[in-house]
Amino acid sequence: SQQGEEDPQALSIQEGENATMNCSYKTSINNLQWYRQNSGRGLVHLILIRSNEREKHSGRLRVTLDTSKKSSSLLITASRAADTASYFCATDAGTALIFGKGTTLSVSS
Amino acid sequence: DSGVTQTPKHLITATGQRVTLRCSPRSGDLSVYWYQQSLDQGLQFLIQYYNGEERAKGNILERFSAQQFPDLHSELNLSSLELGDSALYFCASSVGGDWGEQFFGPGTRLTVL
Repeated sequence: SQQGEEDPQALSIQEGENATMNCSYKTSINNLQWYRQNSGRGLVHLILIRSNEREKHSGRLRVTLDTSKKSSSLLITASRAADTASYFCATDAGTALIFGKGTTLSVSS
Repeated sequence: DSGVTQTPKHLITATGQRVTLRCSPRSGDLSVYWYQQSLDQGLQFLIQYYNGEERAKGNILERFSAQQFPDLHSELNLSSLELGDSALYFCASSVGGDWGEQFFGPGTRLTVL
């Protein structure tokens, strides 16, 4: 399958630092989405970037998409303890939304 | 709160049994999606319904089935349960039938003993 792969698997930072996580995928996509999941809870949609877009911002989030490299990155600026969660990229190739295994972000104060 | 509700929150049952998970989508959403999340497999798409009709199928086992009712709520039926079916089951909904933003429910944690 063309599952997205997040990198790194885990990331630990201090409050106020920036967090960057990456996603690579295998086939052409219509859009790529990022979701957040707090431990054992439902996923929350963060941002959607379409295949013809290169960069998108939402508050402290910045997402880039490079379709030539089949990769995306999510940048969270000025991280807070409340950002501690797992972050998943999900790719839409037209037949389903395929989720990666996620990056676990831990922000300590 | 996403507006998507799932019941029950927790379910403990034995191997060989059958259970039904229920999902109510956000008001106005026509699509319902079911996902299974386990530590080894990650989040796996099972099946999608759009306005009462099956729209897409993912990695859903033959022992599993789903339906969407006229009031748009959906049920996922899991039968002949095995230990490996223990997982978090999420329902999500969206307005349209495509693969845009989805709103997830809180999930049902199924434990098969």
